[in-house]
Amino acid sequence: SQTIHQWPATLVQPVGSPLSLECTVEGTSNPNLYWYRQAAGRGLQLLFYSVGIGQISSEVPQNLSASRPQDRQFILSSKKLLLSDSGFYLCAWSPGQGPYNEQFFGPGTRLTVL
Amino acid sequence: AQSVTQLDSQVPVFEEAPVELRCNYSSSVSVYLFWYVQYPNQGLQLLLKYLSGSTLVKGINGFEAEFNKSQTSFHLRKPSVHISDTAEYFCAVSEDTGFQKLVFGTGTRLLVSP
Repeated sequence: SQTIHQWPATLVQPVGSPLSLECTVEGTSNPNLYWYRQAAGRGLQLLFYSVGIGQISSEVPQNLSASRPQDRQFILSSKKLLLSDSGFYLCAWSPGQGPYNEQFFGPGTRLTVL
Repeated sequence: AQSVTQLDSQVPVFEEAPVELRCNYSSSVSVYLFWYVQYPNQGLQLLLKYLSGSTLVKGINGFEAEFNKSQTSFHLRKPSVHISDTAEYFCAVSEDTGFQKLVFGTGTRLLVSP
């Protein structure tokens, strides 16, 4: 069966520090991968998605970036964190590219920027 | 572009009472509709989805939803709630444009009390 992992589970970082969040999927190949941010009272905001290795699409301009160095690995990064980057970050995957596919979510990373 | 509105940010209800969580969407093309549930500090889990066919969709944990194209709605219902149903519920829509990008509503917090 497929599983999705995210780490770390929680992170407290000072403003201006770098960030690296990792997401890996097991049990499937060539998944679509997604990064979301969830801020209190604002639902889920799609940040990036990827249909293959090295293929990244950005939905929201900001100081975050994403990379997909391997088929089942998705990384969210920042060179300098802002206070507004605090939130709950969720990684998800879906099989294939059809719009009818379910997305499967990881357990999330709670990021607090101080 | 599609959008999703969940008018109720919070719905309090007593245990064993029925509940309806409202969801309306906007789109100029055919859509696929999803309901996800999120328990505290966890990722999202699919409750049910509407792809085509019968407009009444049954999901896990006794939930069901009805797709109403004329009213562009996809309300979630449960005839008798349990304390364990306390969670955040998200409605999401994906347009039938060839690639799966989910747009989420802002969520409804269901609070079930004894």
